[in-house]
Amino acid sequence: GQQVMQIPQYQHVQEGEDFTTYCNSSTTLSNIQWYKQRPGGHPVFLIQLVKSGEVKKQKRLTFQFGEAKKNSSLHITATQTTDVGTYFCAGPPSNTGKLIFGQGTTLQVKP
Amino acid sequence: EAGVAQSPRYKIIEKRQSVAFWCNPISGHATLYWYQQILGQGPKLLIQFQNNGVVDDSQLPKDRFSAERLKGVDSTLKIQPAKLEDSAVYLCASSPQFSNQPQHFGDGTRLSIL
Repeated sequence: GQQVMQIPQYQHVQEGEDFTTYCNSSTTLSNIQWYKQRPGGHPVFLIQLVKSGEVKKQKRLTFQFGEAKKNSSLHITATQTTDVGTYFCAGPPSNTGKLIFGQGTTLQVKP
Repeated sequence: EAGVAQSPRYKIIEKRQSVAFWCNPISGHATLYWYQQILGQGPKLLIQFQNNGVVDDSQLPKDRFSAERLKGVDSTLKIQPAKLEDSAVYLCASSPQFSNQPQHFGDGTRLSIL
């Protein structure tokens, strides 16, 4: 079946270090969405990328959508303790309207 | 604007009992989703409604799970009878139209089966 995989599953960094999570889909996606879930909270929408090769920035966060629209990445520069949480990528395969979530990357930041 | 409302926040039941969850989406959002999130995993779509019609329920265990959105606004998800593996957080989300748009999630219902 259609799958979205994320690596790494967990990442521990020292505050101020950079962090990257990678997302790979088994099928072409019509768009990629990123969500953040704080411990005990619910997923919160961060951003959506639609175009092949698209790059978007939100302050210290940089999001990329691959040329083949099958992979994506989220890079955080100079992490802060407020960045702690689980980051999910999700996308609808091109022939469906169903959003498929990756299993998430959990980020821990040591102050 | 008010967010997605869900109740209850927590529920503890014994296996083979029944349970129901309620969701009220953001006003005006046509699409409503129910997800199951098992600890350490990403949300898994159970059912998607467009207004009061079902768009996708391919991953809903229909022998025990049912959901309805009769008037195209709020929705209920029921499990009967519950199994131990149903322990999870049940998230409701809504979006203005289809899943190509960002989804807004409620706080979820944490279900524990004893």
